[in-house]
Amino acid sequence: SAVISQKPSRDICQRGTSLTIQCQVDSQVTMMFWYRQQPGQSLTLIATANQGSEATYESGFVIDKFPISRPNLTFSTLTVSNMSPEDSSIYLCSVGWTEAFFGQGTRLTVV
Amino acid sequence: ELKVEQNPLFLSMQEGKNYTIYCNYSTTSDRLYWYRQDPGKSLESLFVLLSNGAVKQEGRLMASLDTKARLSTLHITAAVHDLSATYFCAVDVNNFNKFYFGSGTKLNVKP
Repeated sequence: SAVISQKPSRDICQRGTSLTIQCQVDSQVTMMFWYRQQPGQSLTLIATANQGSEATYESGFVIDKFPISRPNLTFSTLTVSNMSPEDSSIYLCSVGWTEAFFGQGTRLTVV
Repeated sequence: ELKVEQNPLFLSMQEGKNYTIYCNYSTTSDRLYWYRQDPGKSLESLFVLLSNGAVKQEGRLMASLDTKARLSTLHITAAVHDLSATYFCAVDVNNFNKFYFGSGTKLNVKP
């Protein structure tokens, strides 16, 4: 199993600012994934973060808006840049081997 | 474009009744997960289905996977109020837990 620590757990931010979300895993993993869950919606994959290479973004998500870092095999960050109220969502990181594990999520409110 | 279609989106049922939630997907995959999410909470893993014909049961819930039909079902037997939650299916598209999620089924079991 894996223990994932995600920070912050929640934040309220002003529009136009940026927030960096951290995801720390207690084991080394090759792939980490970032998801967004908009209010009342399902989870949508933002990107795959691989250590030592650029993140791979899904359709509709771009690096300028959601830059991702993956400095080592246990840590990743997702930045939500130039925020607008439409970015208000829960952001989750995930890792997995034979089973997937999710962080508790970061609840972001943009005002 | 990969699609994961889950139905129904909303399900209101009486305690003691049976019902099935369906998850259809458009890509080749033999790994499918079912998750439960309570309001304001992260995801709780219910079932991991890793091959064609896989069937798993836990309490009043039973999940199955037909990879040829690209269909998974989550069957609820004799529903109880405690099962009220939102249920998601998630298709693993690269065998490393890179997920595309269904839209979710919000289940309300009336006492």
